[in-house]
Amino acid sequence: EAGVVQSPRYKIIEKKQPVAFWCNPISGHNTLYWYLQNLGQGPELLIRYENEEAVDDSQLPKDRFSAERLKGVDSTLKIQPAELGDSAVYLCASSSGGGLGQGAGSYNEQFFGPGTRLTVL
Amino acid sequence: QKEVEQDPGPLSVPEGAIVSLNCTYSNSAFQYFMWYRQYSRKGPELLMYTYSSGNKEDGRFTAQVDKSSKYISLFIRDSQPSDSATYLCAMTPTGTASKLTFGTGTRLQVTL
Repeated sequence: EAGVVQSPRYKIIEKKQPVAFWCNPISGHNTLYWYLQNLGQGPELLIRYENEEAVDDSQLPKDRFSAERLKGVDSTLKIQPAELGDSAVYLCASSSGGGLGQGAGSYNEQFFGPGTRLTVL
Repeated sequence: QKEVEQDPGPLSVPEGAIVSLNCTYSNSAFQYFMWYRQYSRKGPELLMYTYSSGNKEDGRFTAQVDKSSKYISLFIRDSQPSDSATYLCAMTPTGTASKLTFGTGTRLQVTL
C-alpha cells in the first residue's frame, strides 16, 4: 500500500514569491493534516480536514497561508507571499476516520509523508 | 511554557545500551500518548502508543505513562545503530482525527 505522497520534496524560493505544496493521502483516509516542522522542533498542526471540510484551521496564518482539499482526496497548501521565517519542513499526514462506536483506547494512526523542505532566501 | 516538554539531546550511547527517553506534559486532557521515530529527511513514523496510564511493550521497546505525574517514557533495550534517529513524543485527548501535540524530539545516536 502506498504511503502519503508529497511533492515537491525540496523547494527553494526567494522571499515574497508564492509557493505551493501538494499532498496525496493514503487511499481511503478521509482525515488529512498539514503540519509545520521547524528545525529542531516537533511538528505543529496547521490545518486538519475531514473530507473536504477544514475542521481545524486555528493555527493557520490566514494572511499568507491557504489550503484546499476540493474533492476530499488530495490537498494543496499555499504560501503567498513567502517570508524568510517560513523556511521549514511542511508535513502532510492522513488517518482513517474512527466513525461512531470506536471504543476508548483505540488510536487512528496518523501516517506522515516525507515532507517538503522549504528554503526561503 | 510548552504543553509538552522533551529534552532535545543529543543523546549518544554505545550499541547494546538501554536508552531512556522522557517527556513531561501539562494538559490533563491528554489520554493518548505516542512515540514517533523520525529518521533524517523522513516523516515521523509511529513506534507505539499507550492509552491512559500503564505500560506497553513491543519487542525491544517499552512505553510507560504516569498520568499522576504527567510523565511518559520510552525505553529501548539492546540499542542498535539502526535506532539512531530523533524520537518524538506526541499526545492527544482523543484517539480519532485529532491534533497531535508533539515534544521537540530527542536526537539519539547509537555508536558501534
